[in-house]
Amino acid sequence: ETGVTQSPTHLIKTRGQQVTLRCSSQSGHNTVSWYQQALGQGPQFIFQYYREEENGRGNFPPRFSGLQFPNYSSELNVNALELDDSALYLCASSSRSPGKGTGELFFGEGSRLTVL
Amino acid sequence: AQSVTQLGSHVSVSEGALVLLRCNYSSSVPPYLFWYVQYPNQGLQLLLKYTTGATLVKGINGFEAEFKKSETSFHLTKPSAHMSDAAEYFCAVSVIKAAGNKLTFGGGTRVLVKP
Repeated sequence: ETGVTQSPTHLIKTRGQQVTLRCSSQSGHNTVSWYQQALGQGPQFIFQYYREEENGRGNFPPRFSGLQFPNYSSELNVNALELDDSALYLCASSSRSPGKGTGELFFGEGSRLTVL
Repeated sequence: AQSVTQLGSHVSVSEGALVLLRCNYSSSVPPYLFWYVQYPNQGLQLLLKYTTGATLVKGINGFEAEFKKSETSFHLTKPSAHMSDAAEYFCAVSVIKAAGNKLTFGGGTRVLVKP
């Protein structure tokens, strides 16, 4: 069984640039969530995708957007990068539909973004 | 809205000593509760979870946690610390909604194990 994989593992961008992070969900999982973990803090929910549509969003501005593909993989896009966007971005997958299950998530190892 | 408070951002224990990490939550509905561990430069790994039923939950690596509804707590313990337990630990509460399921995390507790 293949776990959640994310790419790239590390990247450096400058303010104002755009970034795309990628995630392949665990085999058999159809729901993908993205979290932002700033240094020294707990992860914060960005949004969740189910059936290729955004299904739940945290307190993040519209310049954070995403996609989910038919194979359940996902992308996180961030436009107009700001210094505060520097963080570890975690992708998590689950096999239950929104509104069902316990909410248990399986996490990837994350993409560490540094904005200069 | 749900929230999680972890008391103590850093905990230092001696190898072989008891590990106790405190977590209190608030939730307007019966909670599902989780403990995750994060090793340096890695993602989150599930240690254990409480959904329903038995309030004492056993997890991996010798950890266990007890759900106490009256105290709104879900403290994590391990009787004897090992050097490999050095990591950051996150308590989380789950929100199950049609408009997306999400985990709300505490701020984390970093554990240092002294030889």
